[in-house]
Amino acid sequence: ETGVTQTPRHLVMGMTNKKSLKCEQHLGHNAMYWYKQSAKKPLELMFVYSLEERVENNSVPSRFSPECPNSSHLFLHLHTLQPEDSALYLCASSQEGGGNIQYFGAGTRLSVL
Amino acid sequence: LAKTTQPISMDSYEGQEVNITCSHNNIATNDYITWYQQFPSQGPRFIIQGYKTKVTNEVASLFIPADRKSSTLSLPRVSLSDTAVYYCLVGDMGNSGTYKYIFGTGTRLKVLA
Repeated sequence: ETGVTQTPRHLVMGMTNKKSLKCEQHLGHNAMYWYKQSAKKPLELMFVYSLEERVENNSVPSRFSPECPNSSHLFLHLHTLQPEDSALYLCASSQEGGGNIQYFGAGTRLSVL
Repeated sequence: LAKTTQPISMDSYEGQEVNITCSHNNIATNDYITWYQQFPSQGPRFIIQGYKTKVTNEVASLFIPADRKSSTLSLPRVSLSDTAVYYCLVGDMGNSGTYKYIFGTGTRLKVLA
């Protein structure tokens, strides 16, 4: 148990569906992150939130829409996805400053049909 | 531009000490060196972090020479359950001022019986 909980753990959706991934951290951290990990590829940083403000968007397509309503919760809203978006989506949180150790959730395995 | 370079894979036997070396020639003055472990279909798990010299915790040691251009993760007496991908990371203070990591391909460690 890392203190970062992601739901759902698995998700199958069609290309015309709209779904959301949820992340909740119980560590009192002030930064949260979304990563994408495709098969046999390194983790790709998608979005960074610091103090509930989005501070990084690494050229992510607009069909991915993040939301951070408070410092403990992070969402990733999905719509009109493509099959190549199938991947493991990981959420992480950290306390900024010093070494900025990130704690990861178990991820959501997304399959787009 | 990759910030770290580490071997793609390593094999070891149970009970042996494993040393994984990472090169980070362009490390910045304020960068920490952090190692993560990742099992299939799970999020990365923090192992150890250091700035200089040697750091030891209950699972690993981290050796950092004076010039900080490389580091070595040492896993004492590995077991089959240590089979995983190990990532070496240095920080990257993005334009936003937010501290973030860039994950590389990692080192795939396989422990044999």
